[in-house]
Amino acid sequence: DAGVIQSPRHEVTEMGQEVTLRCKPISGHNSLFWYRQTMMRGLELLIYFNNNVPIDDSGMPEDRFSAKMPNASFSTLKIQPSEPRDSAVYFCASSLTPAGATGELFFGEGSRLTVL
Amino acid sequence: GENVEQHPSTLSVQEGDSAVIKCTYSDSASNYFPWYKQELGKGPQLIIDIRSNVGEKKDQRIAVTLNKTAKHFSLHITETQPEDSAVYFCAAHDGNEKLTFGTGTRLTIIP
Repeated sequence: DAGVIQSPRHEVTEMGQEVTLRCKPISGHNSLFWYRQTMMRGLELLIYFNNNVPIDDSGMPEDRFSAKMPNASFSTLKIQPSEPRDSAVYFCASSLTPAGATGELFFGEGSRLTVL
Repeated sequence: GENVEQHPSTLSVQEGDSAVIKCTYSDSASNYFPWYKQELGKGPQLIIDIRSNVGEKKDQRIAVTLNKTAKHFSLHITETQPEDSAVYFCAAHDGNEKLTFGTGTRLTIIP
């Protein structure tokens, strides 16, 4: 299996621009997660989906962030408009178990976002 | 919600020596405690996990211990090797079905 695939791996953009990060989970996994990693706050859960349905988005920082999962093999995380404080590495992860509860999370290699 | 504290933030050990990373959690309902290893430029990868019904689990050079009463758990790596150099994260899964990560420990193995 190819694992969780994220794109782009690196994104540099200017403040105010729209950013779209993409994720393809492992085939057959029921749950998908978006995490943000920064030096200051570590790994933060932004949102997770179970069977393509958003279950908990309480970690989404503000209305500038939105996530969708139109089908079982694709998800996007969008930031509009982007701000310098959004600079971070964004990880997508998938899991066989609902909410990744007590099973393994498989992470992608991340998308490093820099907002100037 | 759950709060996971992890110490130390950085750790350097001589190759062949042991390394220990400690975590505490706040929610007594937490029942699953995985450890993830993150190599440079990669996403975290599960290396070992423990559930609340056991006190210790071992997998070759890696072991994890859990003290439910004290609400702390630890990762032990014996006979460390250069490839063990990475950032290690502990995590706790609480009753609200969320996995909360610690802040990470950067482990450096000195050849």
